[in-house]
Amino acid sequence: GQSLEQPSEVTAVEGAIVQINCTYQTSGFYGLSWYQQHDGGAPTFLSYNALDGLEETGRFSSFLSRSDSYGYLLLQELQMKDSASYFCAVRGGGSTLGRLYFGRGTQLTVWP
Amino acid sequence: DTAVSQTPKYLVTQMGNDKSIKCEQNLGHDTMYWYKQDSKKFLKIMFSYNNKELIINETVPNRFSPKSPDKAHLNLHINSLELGDSAVYFCASSQEPGDGAGELFFGEGSRLTVL
Repeated sequence: GQSLEQPSEVTAVEGAIVQINCTYQTSGFYGLSWYQQHDGGAPTFLSYNALDGLEETGRFSSFLSRSDSYGYLLLQELQMKDSASYFCAVRGGGSTLGRLYFGRGTQLTVWP
Repeated sequence: DTAVSQTPKYLVTQMGNDKSIKCEQNLGHDTMYWYKQDSKKFLKIMFSYNNKELIINETVPNRFSPKSPDKAHLNLHINSLELGDSAVYFCASSQEPGDGAGELFFGEGSRLTVL
């Protein structure tokens, strides 16, 4: 089966840096993705890591360590509009190919 | 132009009724999905179709029946609605189901409330 663990809540102030961790257990693994969802909105894709290391996209970076079954999303120079839920998601391989399994989400609140 | 659109956005109905949600994507993607998001925001895959063919059925009760008339459309029909079916149902599409980032493009969701 698949299981993903991430903190349920994180708070930070504007301008700060926050790291959202994700650990996973999967029967097959193709990559780790991150999605952002504002209240009442649709999840939107942020990043994807298939290989170990850091991927940077503007203020957001994502890291993966396959040997540790661990990844994180790093958000820098936080803005109020970054307040949202952030989901890590594992792309299954093998018999679970094509399936994207989501963690339960981390609610990020950014304070002024 | 909305990339993935689903209707209706809100649905309130009584237990035991049958309802449908429709989804269309204009991205030219081959693969479409239904996800269910419960009140605790847990997003769970239900079904996936690739070019009108069912490829994923994630142990969903057979009261739920997806239908894909063509690769741009994926509908979801739910029979004999139960209280536990109350959730937001998201339609999504991606370029292909297999390797690569397989970025999902989600619709805005259909909030179903069963009374």
